[in-house]
Amino acid sequence: NAGVTQTPKFQVLKTGQSMTLQCAQDMNHNSMYWYRQDPGMGLRLIYYSASEGTTDKGEVPNGYNVSRLNKREFSLRLESAAPSQTSVYFCASSPRGANEKLFFGSGTQLSVL
Amino acid sequence: GNSVTQMEGPVTLSEEAFLTINCTYTATGYPSLFWYVQYPGEGLQLLLKATKADDKGSNKGFEATYRKETTSFHLEKGSVQVSDSAVYFCALSDPMFSGGYNKLIFGAGTRLAVHP
Repeated sequence: NAGVTQTPKFQVLKTGQSMTLQCAQDMNHNSMYWYRQDPGMGLRLIYYSASEGTTDKGEVPNGYNVSRLNKREFSLRLESAAPSQTSVYFCASSPRGANEKLFFGSGTQLSVL
Repeated sequence: GNSVTQMEGPVTLSEEAFLTINCTYTATGYPSLFWYVQYPGEGLQLLLKATKADDKGSNKGFEATYRKETTSFHLEKGSVQVSDSAVYFCALSDPMFSGGYNKLIFGAGTRLAVHP
């Protein structure tokens, strides 16, 4: 029962470095999401992919890019990391949309120094 | 725009105490409402949901009723356990998101600590 798998679990970057957060789900879900979680602010949607081959911006897309590589995988890339991107990142998936249950990965804790 | 407001935490209770975590929302249209729970070191899990006014969602002894007249979806449990210690998030599905595709809007989260 893997569900949603995110890698890495922890990462420390220097300002200006780039990295890609990986996410894969094995539930044959159509929709996938990237959220960031900051203290006192709940979760905010960065990007989402309603179905394979499509991606759209969420509330806070600046500084990020995404790729829906196939139905299983949805990656998040930081091209030039900034301290403001220090956060916990969650990937999630759902069968079709947000009116249905979202399944979350266990998160990636990212620190940008 | 649409938003969710939760009571600030942390909420600290003794085992077997009654729990209420307040949640109010602002939304156009008729959103679905959710409570998600995050245990330490884990991702969020759906706890319960309600899709229309007066619906009651329930799971694991937790309940919440969709109150359109007060725009509220308060979470309650009659007798909490130490294992209920977690962060609880209220959320709504935004029916007006561009492209006709729903997304979830989360509250800031309320940390619950239950002591023996």
